[in-house]
Amino acid sequence: AQRVTQPEKLLSVFKGAPVELKCNYSYSGSPELFWYVQYSRQRLQLLLRHISRESIKGFTADLNKGETSFHLKKPFAQEEDSAMYYCALSVRTQGGSEKLVFGKGTKLTVNP
Amino acid sequence: DGGITQSPKYLFRKEGQNVTLSCEQNLNHDAMYWYRQDPGQGLRLIYYSQIVNDFQKGDIAEGYSVSREKKESFPLTVTSAQKNPTAFYLCATTGTASGNTIYFGEGSWLTVV
Repeated sequence: AQRVTQPEKLLSVFKGAPVELKCNYSYSGSPELFWYVQYSRQRLQLLLRHISRESIKGFTADLNKGETSFHLKKPFAQEEDSAMYYCALSVRTQGGSEKLVFGKGTKLTVNP
Repeated sequence: DGGITQSPKYLFRKEGQNVTLSCEQNLNHDAMYWYRQDPGQGLRLIYYSQIVNDFQKGDIAEGYSVSREKKESFPLTVTSAQKNPTAFYLCATTGTASGNTIYFGEGSWLTVV
């Protein structure tokens, strides 16, 4: 069965420190993974997707099929990075449609 | 993002009553989704629809119903059969026009009193 695991509910770092939000997945098909972010009082929005290999707001994430991981990293955290982060996996259903399966989220707090 | 409108933003319901949450989009997206967001639970899929007049159950469909009569609209009804309806509900859409990126509405808070 498809599953996304974010092992840390809460993560707290100091400004300027490196940050890594962990995400592991379980999926028998070819994975397509995403990171979504929800800032306080704002709607959930796409941060990055693995197929585009972009760096958004200094964040990067590399898909590691061997370890079935898609960890989100940033070398120097900023206070404005404080938010809720969700890892998501796109899954193709038996009917041929697609749906997103989300992890439970990690709340990142960057302290001054 | 501004192309997805959820209403109402806040809703109170008495136990035993059905309530319908609206989701409208003008992004010309084919697929629409309803998720429920609870603290510590992440987002869980309730129902989704890939095309008009067709929809599928998600992981927690019990106590909910949907319809997709128009491409732009995907209302969610929370029925009295839903045991724990108090939650934050998110509507989302995606389509080839957006490169299959999923976009979310601002959400609706439902409180059962």
